[in-house]
Amino acid sequence: DTAVSQTPKYLVTQMGNDKSIKCEQNLGHDTMYWYKQDSKKFLKIMFSYNNKELIINETVPNRFSPKSPDKAHLNLHINSLELGDSAVYFCASSQGLFRGYTFGSGTRLTVV
Amino acid sequence: GIQVEQSPPDLILQEGANSTLRCNFSDSVNNLQWFHQNPWGQLINLFYIPSGTKQNGRLSATTVATERYSLLYISSSQTTDSGVYFCAVVDSGTYKYIFGTGTRLKVLA
Repeated sequence: DTAVSQTPKYLVTQMGNDKSIKCEQNLGHDTMYWYKQDSKKFLKIMFSYNNKELIINETVPNRFSPKSPDKAHLNLHINSLELGDSAVYFCASSQGLFRGYTFGSGTRLTVV
Repeated sequence: GIQVEQSPPDLILQEGANSTLRCNFSDSVNNLQWFHQNPWGQLINLFYIPSGTKQNGRLSATTVATERYSLLYISSSQTTDSGVYFCAVVDSGTYKYIFGTGTRLKVLA
């Protein structure tokens, strides 16, 4: 039973396209996150939702829009994809902000 | 903003050896966590340790917040310990969440 599941695992798409990555957690956690890991393995938080409310919105292009339909889901939609968006995107959840994370397995996005 | 530095950047060990990884931060923090990313990319949260000492099997961590550092100890290392170890902190002034650049560990059989 996967605790935090992301789909798809791999995504290859052309510049200019719009794509979504889905995330679901079955841990009953109240907080969910999106992280970006670049090619140098540097991790950076993008967004955090607590009980469906956006609480952290780091400096990311507004082409990135998170959506949390309920506490168990946090999806990431990306418009007008650019080459620089290529990275691994991790979803995570925790009970309470910045505590005891469980990560999804990541989505490797490649923009060509 | 807060700076988070990890050392060493790279470490190669023989199986069975012990190691200490260090995380230094430049300002006050109210949260610190250690993560392991295995060679297949999976991220695992090891410790939530804003202060004090915790142990989990062969791993233990100590944070001395007043001196702005945290240590992760790995004893009797195994090949499955290979990967990248990250620390991450929350700047208690700005509430920014910052990852360190990681220590890449390779354990040889």
